[in-house]
Amino acid sequence: SQKIEQNSEALNIQEGKTATLTCNYTNYSPAYLQWYRQDPGRGPVFLLLIRENEKEKRKERLKVTFDTTLKQSLFHITASQPADSATYLCALDGNGQNFVFGPGTRLSVLP
Amino acid sequence: DGGITQSPKYLFRKEGQNVTLSCEQNLNHDAMYWYRQDPGQGLRLIYYSQIVNDFQKGDIAEGYSVSREKKESFPLTVTSAQKNPTAFYLCASSRQGLSPTYEQYFGPGTRLTVT
Repeated sequence: SQKIEQNSEALNIQEGKTATLTCNYTNYSPAYLQWYRQDPGRGPVFLLLIRENEKEKRKERLKVTFDTTLKQSLFHITASQPADSATYLCALDGNGQNFVFGPGTRLSVLP
Repeated sequence: DGGITQSPKYLFRKEGQNVTLSCEQNLNHDAMYWYRQDPGQGLRLIYYSQIVNDFQKGDIAEGYSVSREKKESFPLTVTSAQKNPTAFYLCASSRQGLSPTYEQYFGPGTRLTVT
């Protein structure tokens, strides 16, 4: 069956460290993958999109990789800050149809 | 100030009653979407619309209905046929539907509680 998994449900890291979040998928062949940030009680906000032919994409302190062989995307936040604490969702185009979202990883950056 | 508005933020209903959630956008986007979010689960697509007067069922459409009479509006009705209606409902829009290159803009959500 088709599945999207994001590492642990919650991840705690120390301020200043690099946070690495994982998105793994099964039985999908996405051409695109997006990452969103969601704060409690709010709607998700788009962060980055990466295409299957792009190995890596950067935006300020954010970096996303996309490995279609491993069926995995990694999302990195360097020099993390307490303000980065949120839930991060990956989403991929489900076989050319609408985007399918993963369950999210709740990141807590501790001061 | 462009964006998506959803109202109300919190909604309480008794079991057996239909309820309509509002979603308005002033981004001039063609496509609009309704998602449901439950704890520990990803967003699940209920309905989407690529153009006015047209909409398609998503993965979990049973017990829900929508309309798209105006480009900027996409209300969702949760009917009494929906077995577990208590959830956080999110409306979104994108410049073009069924195009994975366009980001989705989300509203603030409506938390519906049915007792």
